[in-house]
Amino acid sequence: EAGVAQSPRYKIIEKRQSVAFWCNPISGHATLYWYQQILGQGPKLLIQFQNNGVVDDSQLPKDRFSAERLKGVDSTLKIQPAKLEDSAVYLCASSRRTGFSNEQFFGPGTRLTVL
Amino acid sequence: QKEVEQNSGPLSVPEGAIASLNCTYSDRVSQSFFWYRQYSGKSPELIMSIYSNGDKEDGRFTAQLNKASQYVSLLIRDSQPSDSATYLCAVTGAGGGADGLTFGKGTHLIIQP
Repeated sequence: EAGVAQSPRYKIIEKRQSVAFWCNPISGHATLYWYQQILGQGPKLLIQFQNNGVVDDSQLPKDRFSAERLKGVDSTLKIQPAKLEDSAVYLCASSRRTGFSNEQFFGPGTRLTVL
Repeated sequence: QKEVEQNSGPLSVPEGAIASLNCTYSDRVSQSFFWYRQYSGKSPELIMSIYSNGDKEDGRFTAQLNKASQYVSLLIRDSQPSDSATYLCAVTGAGGGADGLTFGKGTHLIIQP
């Protein structure tokens, strides 16, 4: 079974530029999550999708971050405009959520550097 | 605001010994608990999940949950140098649809050969 795919793996941009990240979840996983991991900290949830609907975006900085999952499979996370403090690894995770289990599996992440 | 607390370490353990990692959480209604292993420069890898009080064993790993004390632990038996990594404790909320993980900052574990 293929894992969660993410691209690009690395991105370097200037502040105030825009950037987009792509995620393809594990086949059959209806739930998709985006997390931000700043160096030395644990991942922080940004947004959760169930199929193509948003379940939780309470921690998404909506003035600059947006995300979509139009067909209930792939997802895109965008930052516009980027700030220095957005430098982090952006992790996508997916979950099958069968019964009581909601184990989440992470992709390799996209390392963003904002200069 | 849910919080998950872990000792950041580093925790140094001799090869072959038992490594004990601990985690406390603030939200009493949390229902699902996970341990992830993260090697430097890599993404988190799920190693254990636990949902009810007591112990759960999988190979050299044992997860322990005490909901009354709001405490989760991970034991690694016969520690190997390849176990050297950061271990992240994560919890979810009260159930329902929103089940994003709240992570601790992680414990850096070093297994000394």
